[in-house]
This record gives sequence, C-alpha cells and structure tokens, in this order.
Amino acid sequence: NAGVMQNPRHLVRRRGQEARLRCSPMKGHSHVYWYRQLPEEGLKFMVYLQKENIIDESGMPKERFSAEFPKEGPSILRIQQVVRGDSAAYFCASSPGQTNTEAFFGQGTRLTVV
Amino acid sequence: KNEVEQSPQNLTAQEGEFITINCSYSVGISALHWLQQHPGGGIVSLFMLSSGKKKHGRLIATINIQEKHSSLHITASHPRDSAVYICAVSPNTGNQFYFGTGTSLTVIP
Repeated sequence: NAGVMQNPRHLVRRRGQEARLRCSPMKGHSHVYWYRQLPEEGLKFMVYLQKENIIDESGMPKERFSAEFPKEGPSILRIQQVVRGDSAAYFCASSPGQTNTEAFFGQGTRLTVV
Repeated sequence: KNEVEQSPQNLTAQEGEFITINCSYSVGISALHWLQQHPGGGIVSLFMLSSGKKKHGRLIATINIQEKHSSLHITASHPRDSAVYICAVSPNTGNQFYFGTGTSLTVIP
C-alpha cells in the first residue's frame, strides 16, 4: 500500500504560467487536505476535499487557485498565472475520515516561480 | 495568537541526550499529531494522540487534555533525529489541522 503520492516533487514555472500539483491519496482514503508551507513559515490549511466535493476551501486564496478531487484519479491543486509569492512547498494529506483519525502526508511539491 | 504554540523553536543537543519538545494549544481538540520534517523533505506522521501516552522506539509522546499540553520526548538522541518537529491539532469543530511553527532539532555527534 503506497503512501500518499505527490507529483511532481519539484516544479519550476515562469510568472504567468499555470501550475498543476497532483496528489494520490492512500488506498482507501477518501479525504484529502492541501496545505501550503511558505519559506520560514508554518503549514497553513488551504482546502479539504472528499471525492467530487469541496468541503472546506476557507484557506484558499480567492483568485487563481482551485482544487478538485474527481471520482477517478488524483486530487489536483491548480494555480493559474503564478506569481513569485506562490513559491512554496505544497503538501497533501489523506485520511480515511476526518482529522481525528490518522492522517498521512505526501512528500510535497516544491514550486518555484521564476 | 496561534492556536498551537511550540517550544523551543530551536534546539541543539549532543548525541545521546534526552530531548523534550513541548506543545500547548488553545482550542478543544479531538486529536493531536506529532509530525517530523527533514530539511527539504516530506512530512512523516509520528504519533496521533487523543489521551495518555504512546511510545514508538526511542520516541515517546504524551498528552494532558485538561492542561491542553503535549510533549514529544526523544531518548538517546542521534544525529539522524535532526529534523523539524511539528505539533498539529484536530479541533473539535472544523475540518483542518492547526499547526505549530515547528521545533528545529539538531543533534551533534
């Protein structure tokens, strides 16, 4: 049973391009969380999804950011028209239930905007 | 004010020393998690606690729900324990973790 898989591990984008970050949860997990870790800062919640539903997106910036978790396939965090301030590590976590259960984290995607 | 406070922020220890990292939180929680992050690396879940104490190898985690406090102990520390240790809580309401800012541990041979 593979852990939470995120790809790519490293992503370089020029300003104005789109970034797509993928997260495949652990087998049997239907809850996915995305977190952002800015340089020298702690992890911050972005969005919580279940299959085909966004449950809580209170941590998502209002513009350029979107997330989905389709019935089939990985969860995708999409950042349009990236800017330098989007450079960060983006972590995905999955769990079989809500956050009072064991959560497993991916290796993260390090996005660098040049 | 952060919902989760960790101390110390930075910690340097000699190999073999006993290490304690503390976490205090201000919200009602259903569980508390200790996480480990190596430089440039991913995040590994070490423990999930809702009461009492858990032990895994040289790592011990305790929680006092009444005092809203948890500790992570490392016995016989080793240079490979050098990492950032992060405390995260699952609040009773809401769908997200709240994270501490982490404790950066360096164990010197």
